[in-house]
Amino acid sequence: AQTVTQSQPEMSVQEAETVTLSCTYDTSENNYYLFWYKQPPSRQMILVIRQEAYKQQNATENRFSVNFQKAAKSFSLKISDSQLGDTAMYFCAFMKHVGTYKYIFGTGTRLKVLA
Amino acid sequence: SAVISQKPSRDICQRGTSLTIQCQVDSQVTMMFWYRQQPGQSLTLIATANQGSEATYESGFVIDKFPISRPNLTFSTLTVSNMSPEDSSIYLCSVVSGSKTDTQYFGPGTRLTVL
Repeated sequence: AQTVTQSQPEMSVQEAETVTLSCTYDTSENNYYLFWYKQPPSRQMILVIRQEAYKQQNATENRFSVNFQKAAKSFSLKISDSQLGDTAMYFCAFMKHVGTYKYIFGTGTRLKVLA
Repeated sequence: SAVISQKPSRDICQRGTSLTIQCQVDSQVTMMFWYRQQPGQSLTLIATANQGSEATYESGFVIDKFPISRPNLTFSTLTVSNMSPEDSSIYLCSVVSGSKTDTQYFGPGTRLTVL
């Protein structure tokens, strides 16, 4: 069975600094998708970034980028130039390439950006 | 991405009663899902809402407790029946639409408190 692990329950970072959130997963699949979602206090789940496992290149979206290490089954999120609005829960999620479109979520990392 | 709304945004209910949550999308979508997020926890998939047929429930969730309807490609409801305080959670719907069939987009959630 697939599992997703986020080992950092809470993190903090100073405004304008860089922070990396870790995520590891376990699967026997070769093709799959990985995601990072952000959930601010408003509770809306917002897609931050997605990565297709068959692509070698790490995904980037403005200040957000990932370090995808397929062999190590690692998918970390780097937030550059952190802003106060980045304060939120961050969830890592896994989805098989072929199947029922179901996600498996990690337990989340609570990130606080300090002024 | 699709615009998703949920009603109500929050509610406080008495033990033993039922609440129906609506999820409305501004365009036709392929898949719709319902999740539960208990306080301080990650997201757990309740069921896949199937258009025109019975929902597909995950282990630990049953139709008698969480009846789901999906009469068309833009609307679904989740009912939480015979509520107890343990049902206090955020309930979220999500959709898969458009060309990115690997990506789920979430509604704003319904915060339910059962007294």
